[in-house]
Amino acid sequence: KNEVEQSPQNLTAQEGEFITINCSYSVGISALHWLQQHPGGGIVSLFMLSSGKKKHGRLIATINIQEKHSSLHITASHPRDSAVYICAVQSGSARQLTFGSGTQLTVLP
Amino acid sequence: DSGVTQTPKHLITATGQRVTLRCSPRSGDLSVYWYQQSLDQGLQFLIQYYNGEERAKGNILERFSAQQFPDLHSELNLSSLELGDSALYFCASSVAQDTQYFGPGTRLTVL
Repeated sequence: KNEVEQSPQNLTAQEGEFITINCSYSVGISALHWLQQHPGGGIVSLFMLSSGKKKHGRLIATINIQEKHSSLHITASHPRDSAVYICAVQSGSARQLTFGSGTQLTVLP
Repeated sequence: DSGVTQTPKHLITATGQRVTLRCSPRSGDLSVYWYQQSLDQGLQFLIQYYNGEERAKGNILERFSAQQFPDLHSELNLSSLELGDSALYFCASSVAQDTQYFGPGTRLTVL
């Protein structure tokens, strides 16, 4: 069993829809990261959180430490949101990242 | 633009060869992380340096090595290359152990 599980693996939505991507993990962590990988390969850090909720524009990330679960929400989705979204947990003495397998999101116009 | 630079962008080489990938972190960032992204394994942590010293090792093969220089740039050396080493190699930097900023990656193709 992977330490970090993401669902769904693939998600297709219509423009304007509310989107949720889920991440569950099985180890103790110091923080959880949400990353976005564009079709060209570049990776952008969206959020780093260790408790509660963070919001940036149309993106919201939540984490429940007790349940070892995090969600990434996108409100009013747009075709430019199409990308792979990756959950990563930070743990260990050096706080290295362990990654989920990613969610491929496609938003259709 | 994250402020992290990686060179080269693309690298094509043959099995058995040795290559060096270079990473320059954001100004002021002391931590450098190296990651490998392959089709079958996804993203994996390889190694971390902090202010010139190795801090943590992940799934890094013995054929691979890295170092961080006094000016904080880092190099990842891959030797005795195999077909399975073909992947995207990312470096990321952070001030300490917080948000990591990723470079654009080096795409390595081993033929």
